[in-house]
Amino acid sequence: GAVVSQHPSWVICKSGTSVKIECRSLDFQATTMFWYRQFPKQSLMLMATSNEGSKATYEQGVEKDKFLINHASLTLSTLTVTSAHPEDSSFYICSAYPDQQVNTAPYEQYFGPGTRLTVT
Amino acid sequence: GQNIDQPTEMTATEGAIVQINCTYQTSGFNGLFWYQQHAGEAPTFLSYNVLDGLEEKGRFSSFLSRSKGYSYLLLKELQMKDSASYLCAVTDSNYQLIWGAGTKLIIKP
Repeated sequence: GAVVSQHPSWVICKSGTSVKIECRSLDFQATTMFWYRQFPKQSLMLMATSNEGSKATYEQGVEKDKFLINHASLTLSTLTVTSAHPEDSSFYICSAYPDQQVNTAPYEQYFGPGTRLTVT
Repeated sequence: GQNIDQPTEMTATEGAIVQINCTYQTSGFNGLFWYQQHAGEAPTFLSYNVLDGLEEKGRFSSFLSRSKGYSYLLLKELQMKDSASYLCAVTDSNYQLIWGAGTKLIIKP
């Protein structure tokens, strides 16, 4: 159990266009989801915390108008990269906290497989 | 501020044992996680420690000392597929996960 999917797994877009990435918890409900970005050979960087039914909480330095997050249901959060530029090219990963603990580790985050974004 | 330190890179030999250390200074503590991440993939859960001591799970073990702000991940009988980055992460008093930069483990034949 506790599977998280992401779509698409990879995407190439032109500079100036917008890209939407979906994160779904397939077999559990998640009020809280997280969006991370990872540049090559670097660690995960938390971008924002997504809460169902309320506004996302963005980390310092992350532009909320550029990275739009919508958590419309207990199983779906979306990240839209607006007016993408080459420097936005990265590996975007979502994760989710199950509303009901699945395994023995409380507050374990379950990760999606990631989305590789390339902006040309 | 909150800080998690782990070595940037380690090299070990196939069949050997390696220990990856992690020290942390966080505002509160509600558990420590170790994740494995292969290049281009998402992290996968390895272990969780919230009480002092050693947690063993097959070839992998994780140790925690809360008084020292210290943990280690021990990998035995190393296999080539263990080549990956190993991420240490701590849940703080706000239940937010604070991530270390990761340790890249290189396994040589």
